[in-house]
Amino acid sequence: EIVLTQSPATLSLSPGEGATLSCRASQSVSSYLAWYQQKPGQAPRLLIYDASNRATGIPARFSGSESGTDFTLTISSLEPEDFAVYYCLQRGNWPETFGQGTKLEIK
Amino acid sequence: QVQLQESGPGLVKPSETLSLTCTVSGGSISGYYWSWIRQPPGKGLESIGFIYYDGSTRYNPSLESRVTISVDTSKNQFSLKLSSVSAADTALYYCVRYGAYGDRHYFDYWGQGTLVTVSS
Repeated sequence: EIVLTQSPATLSLSPGEGATLSCRASQSVSSYLAWYQQKPGQAPRLLIYDASNRATGIPARFSGSESGTDFTLTISSLEPEDFAVYYCLQRGNWPETFGQGTKLEIK
Repeated sequence: QVQLQESGPGLVKPSETLSLTCTVSGGSISGYYWSWIRQPPGKGLESIGFIYYDGSTRYNPSLESRVTISVDTSKNQFSLKLSSVSAADTALYYCVRYGAYGDRHYFDYWGQGTLVTVSS
């Protein structure tokens, strides 16, 4: 199965700063990668699909990009509500797999 | 607005079968793929498998020998059975819908999750 490795495990930043989260796949997933945001006590929310497309209702400060098997989620200017855990998910091969998550915390 | 709600026992004994049902409201179960995902306490997410409304299924190979997912379109429900459970199966279990995005389907609507603890 494809392993997704997210880095860093924890990212400490302040509101207003930019954030860069990474997800590396152990083999090609084409562009079939999504990003999810999970807040405590809540189910994950779809942010980005097919590596770079924002889901409906997602603010423009969230963007996704890819370079081969490396995927990046960028948050241009952090809002207080952005502090959460972020997961990547690949749907390029079965079984679909998630990364282990990056916790974005307030510095 | 589509809503999903998990139901079932919160405590299951080791070696027994975990059974959960997901009730879909605000939309039809027909025409979509539906999935079960679990999250052990404090850990990441694992896909268990999915079912299409016509009954076709696909399971995670790591769980395939123990998993059955079924659908009842008349009740707008789908269900999960996981046999021979152990403490490693203790997790928050989510029922989830796949929505069509581009060429693929991604999880878009989620239930609130139900915690299942395996303990004697």
